[in-house]
Amino acid sequence: EAGVTQSPTHLIKTRGQQATLRCSPISGHTSVYWYQQALGLGLQFLLWYDEGEERNRGNFPPRFSGRQFPNYSSELNVNALELEDSALYLCASSLVVVTDTQYFGPGTRLTVL
Amino acid sequence: GNSVTQMEGPVTLSEEAFLTINCTYTATGYPSLFWYVQYPGEGLQLLLKATKADDKGSNKGFEATYRKETTSFHLEKGSVQVSDSAVYFCALSNSGGSNYKLTFGKGTLLTVNP
Repeated sequence: EAGVTQSPTHLIKTRGQQATLRCSPISGHTSVYWYQQALGLGLQFLLWYDEGEERNRGNFPPRFSGRQFPNYSSELNVNALELEDSALYLCASSLVVVTDTQYFGPGTRLTVL
Repeated sequence: GNSVTQMEGPVTLSEEAFLTINCTYTATGYPSLFWYVQYPGEGLQLLLKATKADDKGSNKGFEATYRKETTSFHLEKGSVQVSDSAVYFCALSNSGGSNYKLTFGKGTLLTVNP
């Protein structure tokens, strides 16, 4: 069974640009979560999508947004990039109605110059 | 709100030594508890979990017991290997109120020397 996949592996942008990160959940999982792992800040919850709807949002500004597609894959968009957005962005998926265990992808390393 | 506190690292051990990484939590209701491991340059892997009080999660020689009376979920392994070198994260999920996000501790870097 394929795990959670994320693309791209690495992304380099400059301040003010937009970044788009993609995630494909484990087959059959309907929930997708996004987390930011920034140096010194640990793992912070960003967004939760389930059945195409945003269900919960962490303490991040509105320039962090996303969506979930009918096939349950998801996209995270970060607008007006700032230097402090440089981080590893992790996507996780779960089958909420059965278990709250989340399975993580390998992450996208975003570097803002 | 929910919070997880785990022992600060780094932890450095010799091969075959006993490992304990302490984790305590604050949460309302009955959270599920997890240990995740992150190897260098990789994402998080689920190591073990427990969903109710007195449950013991175990995997690859690692164990942790959900202790509601002490709000703890300490990770233990009897004999560590060099390949166990990684960052370990304690986390909780409090699904009450449809809030399924994970709250993580800050992580503990473990280095095992041969």
